[in-house]
Amino acid sequence: AQSVTQLGSHVSVSEGALVLLRCNYSSSVPPYLFWYVQYPNQGLQLLLKYTSAATLVKGINGFEAEFKKSETSFHLTKPSAHMSDAAEYFCAARASGTYKYIFGTGTRLKVLA
Amino acid sequence: DADVTQTPRNRITKTGKRIMLECSQTKGHDRMYWYRQDPGLGLRLIYYSFDVKDINKGEISDGYSVSRQAQAKFSLSLESAIPNQTALYFCATSDPWGQGKGETQYFGPGTRLLVL
Repeated sequence: AQSVTQLGSHVSVSEGALVLLRCNYSSSVPPYLFWYVQYPNQGLQLLLKYTSAATLVKGINGFEAEFKKSETSFHLTKPSAHMSDAAEYFCAARASGTYKYIFGTGTRLKVLA
Repeated sequence: DADVTQTPRNRITKTGKRIMLECSQTKGHDRMYWYRQDPGLGLRLIYYSFDVKDINKGEISDGYSVSRQAQAKFSLSLESAIPNQTALYFCATSDPWGQGKGETQYFGPGTRLLVL
């Protein structure tokens, strides 16, 4: 069965430091992969998605993610954290030809001044 | 105006009561979903609908029912609410024909439900 694992339910970084949020998926077929962000009291917003085109995907707000098939990973990065990046981040996967999205358990990012 | 709206945004109810959460969308999408979010568990799918006549159970449908009144409206009902249904509920939509590959979901702002 397909699953999505996010390592670290809470991550803290200093303002200006590198942000790295980890996501691994398990699937015999590389799925479509997504990163969503959830700000307090809001719904989820799409940051970026991988659709089997370029393996390095650029999203909004300076975030990017790299699909690595050999590692079954889709980690999210941002070179320099900003206070406004504090939120919860969800990785999700959907196998080609299916309707079902599988979400990870989320990583709450805290940015320290 | 928001593309996906949910009402109410917050609700407190008592055990055994029947309640309905509503979702409306102006995106023109055929596919709609209901999820619940619990701390540490991420989002879990309750029900999904691919069009007005096509409604399907998700992974945690027990204790819930849905109604797709129109393309734009998808309601979730708790027939007899219980405390472990206390959660944050999200409605989402998607369009399999738009944006090329990788169908994106669009989420409403959520309904926070407390069952006492």
